[in-house]
Formats: sequence, structure tokens, C-alpha cells
Amino acid sequence: GDSVTQMEGPVTLSEEAFLTINCTYTATGYPSLFWYVQYPGEGLQLLLKATKADDKGSNKGFEATYRKETTSFHLEKGSVQVSDSAVYFCALSDQNTGGFKTIFGAGTRLFVKA
Amino acid sequence: DGGITQSPKYLFRKEGQNVTLSCEQNLNHDAMYWYRQDPGQGLRLIYYSQIVNDFQKGDIAEGYSVSREKKESFPLTVTSAQKNPTAFYLCASSRAGRVNTGELFFGEGSRLTVL
Repeated sequence: GDSVTQMEGPVTLSEEAFLTINCTYTATGYPSLFWYVQYPGEGLQLLLKATKADDKGSNKGFEATYRKETTSFHLEKGSVQVSDSAVYFCALSDQNTGGFKTIFGAGTRLFVKA
Repeated sequence: DGGITQSPKYLFRKEGQNVTLSCEQNLNHDAMYWYRQDPGQGLRLIYYSQIVNDFQKGDIAEGYSVSREKKESFPLTVTSAQKNPTAFYLCASSRAGRVNTGELFFGEGSRLTVL
């Protein structure tokens, strides 16, 4: 079945450092890919998404490119801030299931130090 | 502002008691979902509903029940049959049908602790 694997955390960075959180997926269909962010004690919020191969999603300085050849959707940010400290979830939604089943990775916790 | 409201935010339960978590949305979404989140794990789907008066089991439905009598509401009951109910519960919604992009909109969650 479909699955999402993302790098284990926690990831600890200093402010203004470069961030990469790796995410790879397996899917039999043509999934849409997502990054969600969860701040402490809150629900998840959509950070960015890409619906087809070679699409780049971007938001708030974060970027991720849908790479079909490597089945990857790595999250990057050029300069992190303390306010970026959160848990980041990579996810896929397979159009073959009408988008009703979203598969989430285990989440990667990011700590950014001042 | 449109969104999803979950209540209560924190809930304590004695073993053997059923509890019901509320989820209300004013986004006019057809599909609604319940997820369970445990520390260090991803989200696991409990139940989902694509339309009023219809719902489907997710991956971990045992010990849970839901109803969908109104488009706006999708309450989750954690029954005494759920062996390990202490967790963070998240409700979500999405568009359905041809306009569904797969994007989920989440509430702020309900934390259930069994004493």
C-alpha cells in the first residue's frame, strides 16, 4: 500500500541555518503531496502542496519539489527562525481513492535555537 | 472566519466510561475525518464520512463510534471497549468529489486522558 517515510527527529538548528527535512513516498497511483506543520498543542495546518510531478510548492519561505523519479518531496528553508519550531508532517493523498485517504509520515520535530 | 471547532480541548475520563468529542465545521465541506495522534507517531485514521448519514471505518476504528446526522457535525465517541484511549484526537474536513484536492483542514484537537 501507499506509504510515507520522513527523517526522524528531532532536528536542532541555530537561527538562520538551512533546513532540509527528507520525505520519500511509495504510491501506486498519482498522489498529491503535502507538508503540514503542527505547533505545540494545536492541530495541523497545511504548509504547502504539490499536485503533480515537478511542481514546486512554497509558502512562508519553505519549499518542496515533487520529484517523481526519486519519489521524494523534501522540505527546505534557507534561513530558519525560532518561530519555525514545530513538528512537520509529510503526507500524500492518492487521487485513486478520491482523496479521502491521506497517508501521513511519522513527523519530524524541529527545534530552532536563538 | 470559517473553520473547525473541537471541544472539549482537554478531557479526563475514568476507565469504563464512554466519552464523546465534538467536531463542528462551517467550511461547507462534505467530507469529515477523525484522526488519532500518539507521541512520536503520525496520524492514524479512525473514521471518515464523505456525506451526511454515511461514514466508513478507517485503520483503527475498534472501540470508537461516530455519527453524521448533519453536514456540519461529526462527533466521535470513545467507548469503554477502546483499550488504550489516552491520545490527542484531531478532527478534519475536506472538499469532496471532483473539487477535492486532498487538502485537509484541521481543528485544534482534543486531548483525552484516561485516569
